[in-house]
Amino acid sequence: QSALTQPASVSGSPGQSITISCTGTSSDVGSYNLVSWYQQHPGKAPKFMIYEGNKRPSGVSDRFSGSKSGNTASLTISGLQAEDEADYYCCSYAGNTTWVFGGGTKLTVL
Amino acid sequence: EVQLVESGGDLVQPGGSLRLSCAASGFTFSSYSMNWVRQAPGKGLEWVSYISSSSDTISYADSVKGRFTISRDNAKNSLYLQMNSLRDEDTAVYYCARFGVYSSSSHWGQGTLVTVSS
Repeated sequence: QSALTQPASVSGSPGQSITISCTGTSSDVGSYNLVSWYQQHPGKAPKFMIYEGNKRPSGVSDRFSGSKSGNTASLTISGLQAEDEADYYCCSYAGNTTWVFGGGTKLTVL
Repeated sequence: EVQLVESGGDLVQPGGSLRLSCAASGFTFSSYSMNWVRQAPGKGLEWVSYISSSSDTISYADSVKGRFTISRDNAKNSLYLQMNSLRDEDTAVYYCARFGVYSSSSHWGQGTLVTVSS
């Protein structure tokens, strides 16, 4: 149950696109199309942004998209906005009703 | 509207015990699996435990196995986490979260702070 690997920080200017990677193993990310992504603003609960790798819950902007290749999942945010500045976490199902989160990535909008 | 409200967080000494509760409303609690997820101060999220809708499937992270016990009372729309043999590293905000293996939604409470310190 080792944490998934995410970059500690990424940054971008308003209007630009950024991508956050999330690397796991063949036991979690690589085995299941069950990666989700969460956005967390300081002092707030995480917000569900992407599920099953590339699906958006209702109400989530289509500027957020997800993908997966092998043991690595990615979250792309296009048309960066100031309110996108937050921490982002990936989460993968790891079998036997267990989950593993990434270490988190701090997104700074310059 | 789905609401999850955690309670029971407190300051406890190492080796002590604490029971967290999560009151659910706005949905049919007995139909959904539930989880506890924690976040140490300034750190990332860590999945802690899962319980199926009927309590027939339960799982734990290795870091808490043998010390923590998850349970639920569907008649009271409540989820619980009994935490024993607490360690400094258990200090965290504990979130109650509704999600399962195939979930198109994921709802979280605002969390309750557990501090383990002498």
